[in-house]
Amino acid sequence: SQQGEEDPQALSIQEGENATMNCSYKTSINNLQWYRQNSGRGLVHLILIRSNEREKHSGRLRVTLDTSKKSSSLLITASRAADTASYFCATANYGGSQGNLIFGKGTKLSVKP
Amino acid sequence: GAVVSQHPSRVICKSGTSVKIECRSLDFQATTMFWYRQFPKQSLMLMATSNEGSKATYEQGVEKDKFLINHASLTLSTLTVTSAHPEDSSFYICSASFTEAFFGQGTRLTVV
Repeated sequence: SQQGEEDPQALSIQEGENATMNCSYKTSINNLQWYRQNSGRGLVHLILIRSNEREKHSGRLRVTLDTSKKSSSLLITASRAADTASYFCATANYGGSQGNLIFGKGTKLSVKP
Repeated sequence: GAVVSQHPSRVICKSGTSVKIECRSLDFQATTMFWYRQFPKQSLMLMATSNEGSKATYEQGVEKDKFLINHASLTLSTLTVTSAHPEDSSFYICSASFTEAFFGQGTRLTVV
C-alpha cells in the first residue's frame, strides 16, 4: 500500500521561482528519499534524508524532515525549465530492507520559461 | 555513483507471448533487487523482491506465475512477463541496493 502522499499533485510556476513540494507518510521510517522522473523515463535519485536529520541541501535542492509530523518538503530554488518533471518521495520503513521503498503518488512540476 | 542498467527500454509484443526484462547492477553486487510497476500517471508499486539464489518474494496481488523473477547472480535479475495481455502494458522499473537504492531506466512494455 502507498505510504507517501505528495502535495500538491501538480504545480506550475515560472522559471526563476521556487517550487515547494510536500510529502506526508504514515509509519516510522529509516529514511526518506526524493526522486525525479522525467516523462516515460526511469527514476533519478535526488536526495536521501535520514530519520535523525532535519534538513539537507544539495545544490538547488533543500529537503526538510519533520518526524513528529511525519512530513517532508522538497524545495527547488531558482527553478529552470529543465526541472519540469514528476517528483516522488519514497520512504524506507523502520526494519524494512534497504531498497524496499514505498512511493507516494508524486507531484508533477511544470516550469514555464 | 552506482549504476543499474535495465534492458530493454521499450518493447512491444503480441498478446500471448512472453517478454523478459533484465536488470543488471554494473559496478556493485546486489543480493537483493526489487521490481516495480508503474501505471499511467500513478506512482510505483512494488511487485516483488528478488533474492539472489532463492525464490522471489511477491507482494500481495502479484501473480508469481505470471511475473517470473530469476536472480541467478549477484549482478543480474530478470523479470519475465508470461503470456502477456494488454492489461500488462505498463512501465516496469528495477532497483538494486548498495548504500542506497539505485534504479534502472525502466522498461515500457506495450502488449498489442
